[in-house]
Amino acid sequence: AQTVTQSQPEMSVQEAETVTLSCTYDTSESDYYLFWYKQPPSRQMILVIRQEAYKQQNATENRFSVNFQKAAKSFSLKISDSQLGDAAMYFCAYRTQGGSEKLVFGKGMKLTVNP
Amino acid sequence: NAGVTQTPKFRVLKTGQSMTLLCAQDMNHEYMYWYRQDPGMGLRLIHYSVGEGTTAKGEVPDGYNVSRLKKQNFLLGLESAAPSQTSVYFCASRDPMEHSPLHFGNGTRLTVT
Repeated sequence: AQTVTQSQPEMSVQEAETVTLSCTYDTSESDYYLFWYKQPPSRQMILVIRQEAYKQQNATENRFSVNFQKAAKSFSLKISDSQLGDAAMYFCAYRTQGGSEKLVFGKGMKLTVNP
Repeated sequence: NAGVTQTPKFRVLKTGQSMTLLCAQDMNHEYMYWYRQDPGMGLRLIHYSVGEGTTAKGEVPDGYNVSRLKKQNFLLGLESAAPSQTSVYFCASRDPMEHSPLHFGNGTRLTVT
């Protein structure tokens, strides 16, 4: 079964600084999708960024970018120029391509942004 | 644009009571999901549906039932609530395209005493 591990339960960063959130996963599949979701105190789950495993280029979305290392099964999220609104729980998630429709989540990491 | 709407937002039940959580989406998505979120556990899949009239078990299905009679609605039922079912429940939907992300509702906080 696929598993997703977020080894750091909490992190903090100073406003305007850069922070990297780590995520590793275990799978025997070669084609899959990876996602980062953000959950602010409002409880809503918001998609931050996604990566297709067949793409070598790392995904970027404005201040958010990933470092996808397929061989190492690592999918870290970098947040540049951190803002107070980035404070939230962040969840890494994995989904197999085709067949299974299930999205498997890590346990999450709480990010605090200090002014 | 409503997206995914869950009702109710909060509920308190006594052990043994039953209830139904309703999820409605207006994006014409084929796939719908019910997750529960517990502290330190992340989100765990309860049941899911890949189309009207079809449902399947997820990771933690025991104690729950679901129905997808209409494409836009996905109901989660608790027949006899237990304190272990105290949690925040999220509904989500997506279209069948491979790379499509989940769209989530705002969650229902359920407390079973």
